[in-house]
Amino acid sequence: DVKVTQSSRYLVKRTGEKVFLECVQDMDHENMFWYRQDPGLGLRLIYFSYDVKMKEKGDIPEGYSVSREKKERFSLILESASTNQTSMYLCATQTGERNEQFFGPGTRLTVL
Amino acid sequence: AQSVAQPEDQVNVAEGNPLTVKCTYSVSGNPYLFWYVQYPNRGLQFLLKYITGDNLVKGSYGFEAEFNKSQTSFHLKKPSALVSDSALYFCAVRGLDTGRRALTFGSGTRLQVQP
Repeated sequence: DVKVTQSSRYLVKRTGEKVFLECVQDMDHENMFWYRQDPGLGLRLIYFSYDVKMKEKGDIPEGYSVSREKKERFSLILESASTNQTSMYLCATQTGERNEQFFGPGTRLTVL
Repeated sequence: AQSVAQPEDQVNVAEGNPLTVKCTYSVSGNPYLFWYVQYPNRGLQFLLKYITGDNLVKGSYGFEAEFNKSQTSFHLKKPSALVSDSALYFCAVRGLDTGRRALTFGSGTRLQVQP
């Protein structure tokens, strides 16, 4: 079974702090994704990566950056957290374009 | 651009009755279509997908979905609902010809199955 783990289930940060969310997968998948989930809006793509050191902006990349130095690890960075970044953050992995994505358990981030 | 519409925020059904969760999509070219389920405080779990072939796709936990190209729909169905099916359901699409690697998700439909 594919295992996708996220560094924290719950996180509370203050406005202006730099925040790191980490995602690790154990199945050697080339594609990794970061989404945020908000009520009534579904999942929105922030960034994704299709290879080490390769990244592409998703639909809502403003205020976020990412890092993928190793194939199994994909980090989401909030350079200066703001209250409107309070959300559930979900990491996903995928291999091949026909296949489903596998999701981590999510990190619920609250920015005060 | 690709998009997904889930017109119902919530669907209520009695245990044992059939259920349908609606999904329509918009993409250029042929679509890959997916359904995911999210239980409380959990990540999304894959239920089923349509890539090509038979329009009726069977998935996990007794769920199935019917791809209708003319209506651009991919409704999720189950013949007999269980209380344990109560969860948040997401439809997602990826267009084959868009060059976009990622899925686009709908806003989600909360299914409530009453005992």
